[in-house]
Amino acid sequence: DTAVSQTPKYLVTQMGNDKSIKCEQNLGHDTMYWYKQDSKKFLKIMFSYNNKELIINETVPNRFSPKSPDKAHLNLHINSLELGDSAVYFCASSQAGASDEQFFGPGTRLTVL
Amino acid sequence: AQSVSQHNHHVILSEAASLELGCNYSYGGTVNLFWYVQYPGQHLQLLLKYFSGDPLVKGIKGFEAEFIKSKFSFNLRKPSVQWSDTAEYFCAATGTASKLTFGTGTRLQVTL
Repeated sequence: DTAVSQTPKYLVTQMGNDKSIKCEQNLGHDTMYWYKQDSKKFLKIMFSYNNKELIINETVPNRFSPKSPDKAHLNLHINSLELGDSAVYFCASSQAGASDEQFFGPGTRLTVL
Repeated sequence: AQSVSQHNHHVILSEAASLELGCNYSYGGTVNLFWYVQYPGQHLQLLLKYFSGDPLVKGIKGFEAEFIKSKFSFNLRKPSVQWSDTAEYFCAATGTASKLTFGTGTRLQVTL
C-alpha cells in the first residue's frame, strides 16, 4: 500500500495555464505538507496543514493555493504558471509533533514550457 | 533565523571507504534533527533522527549520526559505503513547529 501518493507524476504544460497536483495519505496523519525541490535539489517548504487548517504558509506567490478537503488529502493548485515554477513538488505527511518523521510522496515533476 | 548547512556538495568515494557528511544547524531552543536520503528518481526516505537522549543515533542501512550540541553539528557516518549508497543526502531540522528546514544536500557518488 502506498503511504503518500501524488498525481500526476509528470506534468508538462504551457506558461499561463492553471494546473493542480493531488496528494493523498493513508497513514492517518494529522499534518500534511507541500515542498518544492528546485533544479539544484534544494528543498523548501511551501505549506503545511494540520487537520485541514493552514498552519505554515511560507513566502509563496499567491498563484499557489493549497486545498485540504479532509485531513487525508492536500491538493495544490497553481494559477498562471510561469517558467520558474518548473520543479519537483513533494507532498509529505506526519503526526503533529515536530520530532515526528515526515513521510514523503514520490514527487510531481512539473515542467512549464 | 533557523538554518541548516551542509558543506559537502559532492562527495565521491570508492566502495568500502568510510563516509562522513557534515551538517551544522542554527536554531534557538529545541531542535530535532533528521537525515533523509533520496535515491535517484525516488522520493525522500528517513535514514535516522535525533530528538533527545543518546546523541549517537543509529539508523537504517548501517548509517549513524552524532549530535554534538557544542558544535551545533549532526554529522552522518557510515564505516563502509556500498555502490547502492549512491544518492542525495539531506540534513534537516525542526524546532518546536513541525516545519522541516533542509540543508542544500550532498550528492554521494560511490564508485566500484
